[in-house]
Amino acid sequence: GAVVSQHPSWVICKSGTSVKIECRSLDFQATTMFWYRQFPKQSLMLMATSNEGSKATYEQGVEKDKFLINHASLTLSTLTVTSAHPEDSSFYICSAAGLYNSPLHFGNGTRLTVT
Amino acid sequence: GQNIDQPTEMTATEGAIVQINCTYQTSGFNGLFWYQQHAGEAPTFLSYNVLDGLEEKGRFSSFLSRSKGYSYLLLKELQMKDSASYLCAVRPRGGSQGNLIFGKGTKLSVKP
Repeated sequence: GAVVSQHPSWVICKSGTSVKIECRSLDFQATTMFWYRQFPKQSLMLMATSNEGSKATYEQGVEKDKFLINHASLTLSTLTVTSAHPEDSSFYICSAAGLYNSPLHFGNGTRLTVT
Repeated sequence: GQNIDQPTEMTATEGAIVQINCTYQTSGFNGLFWYQQHAGEAPTFLSYNVLDGLEEKGRFSSFLSRSKGYSYLLLKELQMKDSASYLCAVRPRGGSQGNLIFGKGTKLSVKP
């Protein structure tokens, strides 16, 4: 089945620094990838849709200047959390899908802790 | 507004059958998904329903009634490894492919 790889699986950084998270589709081309965030005991919330070769589409309430998304190829999307603050500490998960209406396949997630 | 409701927690016994219900109110409907999520891990896909009826896949089955805004996930022959959170997610009509609305999940505990 489809495999999505996400790296790193966890990261601890100091407040004010930036963190980059990578998401790769390993055995299929994903023109669109998605970034979710999940706080403890909460639902997964879609943050943005990453489109290969064009600008990402952000959900309401998500700061595009803080969460930079780059989708440079059909198999790689990156999320950079800029000037991270402790309230950005969360579980970030990427996903990708092949054909429309096919299920989303998720990466293993990145647990970000900002101290 | 958009709303997905599912029980917060359930407990069942190894070898038994458990049904996890999900009700939804969304702006249109374009498919319902069930995912399993172990603590600290990403969700893994279990099932997808877009038409009314029952979809069976091994020990897992999922049912959908669009007129009632209702779905359930049925787990048979429960195993200890089935202890996890089960997420119901709906793709509303017109949303992007990844714009799934997730419920908060049902934490299932399987006891010996």
